[in-house]
Amino acid sequence: RKEVEQDPGPFNVPEGATVAFNCTYSNSASQSFFWYRQDCRKEPKLLMSVYSSGNEDGRFTAQLNRASQYISLLIRDSKLSDSATYLCVVNSDRGSTLGRLYFGRGTQLTVWP
Amino acid sequence: SAVISQKPSRDICQRGTSLTIQCQVDSQVTMMFWYRQQPGQSLTLIATANQGSEATYESGFVIDKFPISRPNLTFSTLTVSNMSPEDSSIYLCSARQGSETQYFGPGTRLLVL
Repeated sequence: RKEVEQDPGPFNVPEGATVAFNCTYSNSASQSFFWYRQDCRKEPKLLMSVYSSGNEDGRFTAQLNRASQYISLLIRDSKLSDSATYLCVVNSDRGSTLGRLYFGRGTQLTVWP
Repeated sequence: SAVISQKPSRDICQRGTSLTIQCQVDSQVTMMFWYRQQPGQSLTLIATANQGSEATYESGFVIDKFPISRPNLTFSTLTVSNMSPEDSSIYLCSARQGSETQYFGPGTRLLVL
């Protein structure tokens, strides 16, 4: 079983739409959770961290359900510039690498005018 | 934040040859990593580059194939040895200071003919 599972999409939505991405992780002892954004032919960049109480940053809301080992990202009022691949990332200590990041395959989003 | 540069940005190589990728961080960081990302796939951790000692390799990656150096806190190299077409990928350097945000370099696109 993969450490982090994501629906790869693609999601194609019109401007102004609300879209939600989901992600599950396998290690119940995972400590930290993130959403990264990766534009085409670019490196991943941190979008936001995910906290147990849920957190919001403008149009973006991230939520964590530790009991279900489930992470979500909600984007409201989608913009053309939101088009990218969204990576679910989990930080776990496993084996000899402390605090390593595990990446999902990414969910591709295209926002059309 | 940390700014990471990599060179070369891209290369086309013949099978059987080796390529060394350099990674420079603009500030001292505790942890440096090398990842590989194949088209449409997630990031796969190759190894953690340890300053002044041998790198810590993930399952499926070995030092003979991917020798890594890290002579100081801001610089690391990854060599892809005896290349084959299966090594064609994007190789990404990454760095983190303690438990802070992990940043990525722009990547090196490698094509092996």
